[in-house]
Amino acid sequence: EPEVTQTPSHQVTQMGQEVILRCVPISNHLYFYWYRQILGQKVEFLVSFYNNEISEKSEIFDDQFSVERPDGSNFTLKIRSTKLEDSAMYFCASNSDSLIYGYTFGSGTRLTVV
Amino acid sequence: QQPVQSPQAVILREGEDAVINCSSSKALYSVHWYRQKHGEAPVFLMILLKGGEQKGHEKISASFNEKKQQSSLYLTASQLSYSGTYFCGTESGGSNYKLTFGKGTLLTVNP
Repeated sequence: EPEVTQTPSHQVTQMGQEVILRCVPISNHLYFYWYRQILGQKVEFLVSFYNNEISEKSEIFDDQFSVERPDGSNFTLKIRSTKLEDSAMYFCASNSDSLIYGYTFGSGTRLTVV
Repeated sequence: QQPVQSPQAVILREGEDAVINCSSSKALYSVHWYRQKHGEAPVFLMILLKGGEQKGHEKISASFNEKKQQSSLYLTASQLSYSGTYFCGTESGGSNYKLTFGKGTLLTVNP
């Protein structure tokens, strides 16, 4: 069964450093998303991406965040200057042009900012 | 607007039934249900698209009352494998398929 792949599975970084979280969505999917989940809390929407541009973003997704699909397969989330409160599990998800099959989530990257 | 889930947590013995509710203050186009086991990614269970629709997946089914903007997830004859956090995700029209998730309901099934 096709899956969404995320790397790394766990990243520890110092406050103020830049991190790049990587995702390989399912190849024939058209919509890509980043969500985050602070430990024990709800899954929060960050950004959606379609046709090589951001289609929607949340209030959380401020200027320190950016997304890119550099080569047609990878989908990256960059956090420019990490803060302690950025510590969370970051999930990438993708879906086809229909939501009938729901999102397919990756297994997540646990980001710890120290 | 985040959907509201209830209850926050439920503990069952194997074989018992449970109902998890999800409601929204916004008109909904669809409701999704996902299950997340500890330390893992959420896994898609089902999508409800039309008012009053009921769908089933093994012993897990759901209904969607479009007029009331509510959905309920029914787990019957629960199994140990049903343990996890259940999230509803709601989609409003024109949202580019963006889902807004509720806070989740932690379901624990004990032997």
